Amino acid sequence: NAGVTQTPKFQVLKTGQSMTLQCAQDMNHEYMSWYRQDPGMGLRLIHYSVGAGITDQGEVPNGYNVSRSTTEDFPLRLLSAAPSQTSVYFCASVKAGGWEQYFGPGTRLTVT
Amino acid sequence: SQKIEQNSEALNIQEGKTATLTCNYTNYSPAYLQWYRQDPGRGPVFLLLIRENEKEKRKERLKVTFDTTLKQSLFHITASQPADSATYLCALAPDYGGSQGNLIFGKGTKLSVKP
Repeated sequence: NAGVTQTPKFQVLKTGQSMTLQCAQDMNHEYMSWYRQDPGMGLRLIHYSVGAGITDQGEVPNGYNVSRSTTEDFPLRLLSAAPSQTSVYFCASVKAGGWEQYFGPGTRLTVT
Repeated sequence: SQKIEQNSEALNIQEGKTATLTCNYTNYSPAYLQWYRQDPGRGPVFLLLIRENEKEKRKERLKVTFDTTLKQSLFHITASQPADSATYLCALAPDYGGSQGNLIFGKGTKLSVKP
């Protein structure tokens, strides 16, 4: 199993550009989440999904969209990038009935 | 307001000693609490989960305690080694019985073990 994969590893955007951060897992996990990690702020939940077709907002959802059309994939879309979205983004998944979160390697995003 | 706090941003200890990290929370009633390890440039890795009805849990050199009265969890690494140097995060689900995909994390404690 590859586990949780994220692409790209690094990305630089200009203010106002849009892009999609990709996340995929091959463990057939039901739950998937997106976090951002900023110095001094820790990990903060952006959006999460309890299954295909079901998503919900976390602590910091503004400026981000998600969808979950398949169990495997959970892309995060930045609609109009802002410098405040400069961060490291982590995707995570949890199996049904479990509690351990499996994290991807992260995407480092810089918005100029 | 609801908060989860890890009391120390950084902890420096000598190799062989026991490291003790603290996680306190307010205004939550979690069914369980988790601890993760994060190395620089990598995603967090799960270490231990302790449930509200468990006072203590052990895994090799790791020990976690959970006091729901004090609203506190302690994370111990005994016989610490330089390889234990990392940032350690505590996390809990904000709602009792809430979704497994929804965790609130502390800011982490960076542990440095000196040879």
